[in-house]
Amino acid sequence: DVKVTQSSRYLVKRTGEKVFLECVQDMDHENMFWYRQDPGLGLRLIYFSYDVKMKEKGDIPEGYSVSREKKERFSLILESASTNQTSMYLCASRSSASYNEQFFGPGTRLTVL
Amino acid sequence: KQEVTQIPAALSVPEGENLVLNCSFTDSAIYNLQWFRQDPGKGLTSLLLIQSSQREQTSGRLNASLDKSSGRSTLYIAASQPGDSATYLCAVTGELHNAGNMLTFGGGTRLMVKP
Repeated sequence: DVKVTQSSRYLVKRTGEKVFLECVQDMDHENMFWYRQDPGLGLRLIYFSYDVKMKEKGDIPEGYSVSREKKERFSLILESASTNQTSMYLCASRSSASYNEQFFGPGTRLTVL
Repeated sequence: KQEVTQIPAALSVPEGENLVLNCSFTDSAIYNLQWFRQDPGKGLTSLLLIQSSQREQTSGRLNASLDKSSGRSTLYIAASQPGDSATYLCAVTGELHNAGNMLTFGGGTRLMVKP
């Protein structure tokens, strides 16, 4: 089974802090994604990566950056956390082989005070 | 731009009932459609993936159908159980390479199955 893990289930940070959310997948997938999920707004794509060191902006990249130094790991960075970044963050991965299923991690509930 | 709509937004049924969740999308040029389940505060679990060339997929008590030309998919759950209570999301992948072939999600249907 594909396994996507995220470094924390719950995280509480203060405004202005730099925040790192880590995601690791164990199936050698080329594509990795970061979403945020908010009530009434659904899932929105922040960034994705289709290869090591490659990244593309999604729908809502402002205030975020990403890093993909190794194929299995995709990090989401909040350079200076703000209260409007309080959300559920979901990481996902997918093979490029034939537009296969997208697999999600358990999510990180981030609260910015 | 692709838009995905799920109706109803919420559904409550007694245990044992068969039920249908609906998903519609505006652009029929899709590569596949995926149904997910999400429990409160958790990530998404993939239930079924239907390629655009397929009409349906089955897994246990779940059956998903796809009518690409009309832009519709349904998720049929047979003999519902309280453990089926969750939010169900459908998502489509675009046919052409569009910014990584990202998924476009519907808003979800929140299902409650009462004992």
